[in-house]
Amino acid sequence: GDSVTQMEGPVTLSEEAFLTINCTYTATGYPSLFWYVQYPGEGLQLLLKATKADDKGSNKGFEATYRKETTSFHLEKGSVQVSDSAVYFCALSADDYKLSFGAGTTVTVRA
Amino acid sequence: GAVVSQHPSWVICKSGTSVKIECRSLDFQATTMFWYRQFPKQSLMLMATSNEGSKATYEQGVEKDKFLINHASLTLSTLTVTSAHPEDSSFYICSATLAGGRIYEQYFGPGTRLTVT
Repeated sequence: GDSVTQMEGPVTLSEEAFLTINCTYTATGYPSLFWYVQYPGEGLQLLLKATKADDKGSNKGFEATYRKETTSFHLEKGSVQVSDSAVYFCALSADDYKLSFGAGTTVTVRA
Repeated sequence: GAVVSQHPSWVICKSGTSVKIECRSLDFQATTMFWYRQFPKQSLMLMATSNEGSKATYEQGVEKDKFLINHASLTLSTLTVTSAHPEDSSFYICSATLAGGRIYEQYFGPGTRLTVT
């Protein structure tokens, strides 16, 4: 079945550091790929998406590129802020019926 | 923006009792709602999908008689864990979509932590 594997956390960074969270997937066909973010005390919210190979999703300074050849969708941000402290989930949908999530990566940014 | 709330945020119950978790869309009508379960350090696993006024569709391996889902209105869905046991202890998350919304356009609640003693 469809599955998503993302790097285990927690990840702790200093402000203005570079962040990358690895995500790889297994799916039949050509899934759409997503990153969700969950801030403390809140529900998950969509951060960015890519619906086909080589698409780059971006939002709030975060980027991820859909790499079909490596089945990856790594999340990156060039300069993190304390407000980026959250849990990040990689997800896919192969059929527009349901989402399959990774386990989440907790990121803490220190001032 | 669209907000989904869950109540309670934390519940402790004794083994053998039932517990109800509410999921509400506060400022929109949710035609479809989803219930997820998350174990520590594991993925969110979809339990069931429900449309207002219809029976829920359960994912394979989810006991529908144990996890009762009711979506009686466009703003409220409930999950009742019947005859709870310690292995039912988990984090339960609901989400909702607007009519015609894509699968990724889900609005998530903050989750409910259930502990069964």
